[in-house]
Amino acid sequence: NAGVTQTPKFRILKIGQSMTLQCTQDMNHNYMYWYRQDPGMGLKLIYYSVGAGITDKGEVPNGYNVSRSTTEDFPLRLELAAPSQTSVYFCASSGAGGSTQPQHFGDGTRLSIL
Amino acid sequence: DQQVKQNSPSLSVQEGRISILNCDYTNSMFDYFLWYKKYPAEGPTFLISISSIKDKNEDGRFTVFLNKSAKHLSLHIVPSQPGDSAVYFCAASDTGGFKTIFGAGTRLFVKA
Repeated sequence: NAGVTQTPKFRILKIGQSMTLQCTQDMNHNYMYWYRQDPGMGLKLIYYSVGAGITDKGEVPNGYNVSRSTTEDFPLRLELAAPSQTSVYFCASSGAGGSTQPQHFGDGTRLSIL
Repeated sequence: DQQVKQNSPSLSVQEGRISILNCDYTNSMFDYFLWYKKYPAEGPTFLISISSIKDKNEDGRFTVFLNKSAKHLSLHIVPSQPGDSAVYFCAASDTGGFKTIFGAGTRLFVKA
């Protein structure tokens, strides 16, 4: 059972570079989420999607973009990497029922911007 | 503005004893609460949840208590085992929305 798969696991970027964090799920979940976790902090919601073609901003969307062209995939794009975006990024998905359904998380992408 | 607060960054407990992890929230719109467990280098995994229409939910060694008037919930683990050593996140949401707000987490150490 793959669940939620995130790639890459680790990445180092230079300031100003761009990259896409990949996330795919095989559970046919409508809801998908991107979070970042900074040291000593909880998970902060960056963007979420309630279905293919529908995305919305979370608590900390600045500097990021997302798209949802299929049910399975929810990539997160960083256009101009900044040191403040150094973090661990988690993708999650959940079934029908929105926020009352437990979220299934990937194992994260550790991103360092130097 | 932290809407979900876990004021204890860490907790150390002897194997076999009870672990009590606490969580406070400020938003009265929250009506659904979840606990997640996270091991190093892994994503969080769902542990247990409770709706605001209940004050207790139990699943094996894990029990969550909700005190709505105090805007407080707690997770009890009895008996604690070394494999329970992890970071525990409290999370809250309102059933009409799509967003879940997470606390900063409490790191639990269970000593053998």
